[in-house]
Amino acid sequence: DVKVTQSSRYLVKRTGEKVFLECVQDMDHENMFWYRQDPGLGLRLIYFSYDVKMKEKGDIPEGYSVSREKKERFSLILESASTNQTSMYLCASSFTPGGVLEQYFGPGTRLTVT
Amino acid sequence: KNEVEQSPQNLTAQEGEFITINCSYSVGISALHWLQQHPGGGIVSLFMLSSGKKKHGRLIATINIQEKHSSLHITASHPRDSAVYICAVSDPSGSARQLTFGSGTQLTVLP
Repeated sequence: DVKVTQSSRYLVKRTGEKVFLECVQDMDHENMFWYRQDPGLGLRLIYFSYDVKMKEKGDIPEGYSVSREKKERFSLILESASTNQTSMYLCASSFTPGGVLEQYFGPGTRLTVT
Repeated sequence: KNEVEQSPQNLTAQEGEFITINCSYSVGISALHWLQQHPGGGIVSLFMLSSGKKKHGRLIATINIQEKHSSLHITASHPRDSAVYICAVSDPSGSARQLTFGSGTQLTVLP
């Protein structure tokens, strides 16, 4: 079974802190994603990566950066955390058997910025 | 970009009831996914379908490609079915690397 793990389930940080969220997948997937999920807004794509050292902005990249130095690991960085970044953060990885995308999610990190 | 709409946003049912959640999308797709998210956050894939109907236990998913519409049905609902159900579509054009998500349906099944 595909396993996607995230470094923390719950995290509390102060405004202005630098925050690192890490995601690891064990199935050699090319594609990895970071989403945030807020009530009423659903899942919104922050960044994704389709290869090592490659990244593309999603719908809401402002205030975030990412790093993918190894294929299995995709990190989300909040350079200076703000209260409006309090949210659930979900990592995912995907592959496309036969051209149809299959995506697998991590358990999520609930981040609170105070 | 595809627009994905789900209805209803919230649904409360009594145990044993038949439940339907609807999803519509605006442009053609290669596949539609139904996902389930329990309290605590983890999302699991229930179905991926590009035509017709799929059944797994008490869950049934259907899709009508011409009408750009899918439904998720739960028969003999149970409190453990309480979760957020999310519809997502994969675009047939471009890289097909991403899913576009609906905003989710919060289902609560009361004993």
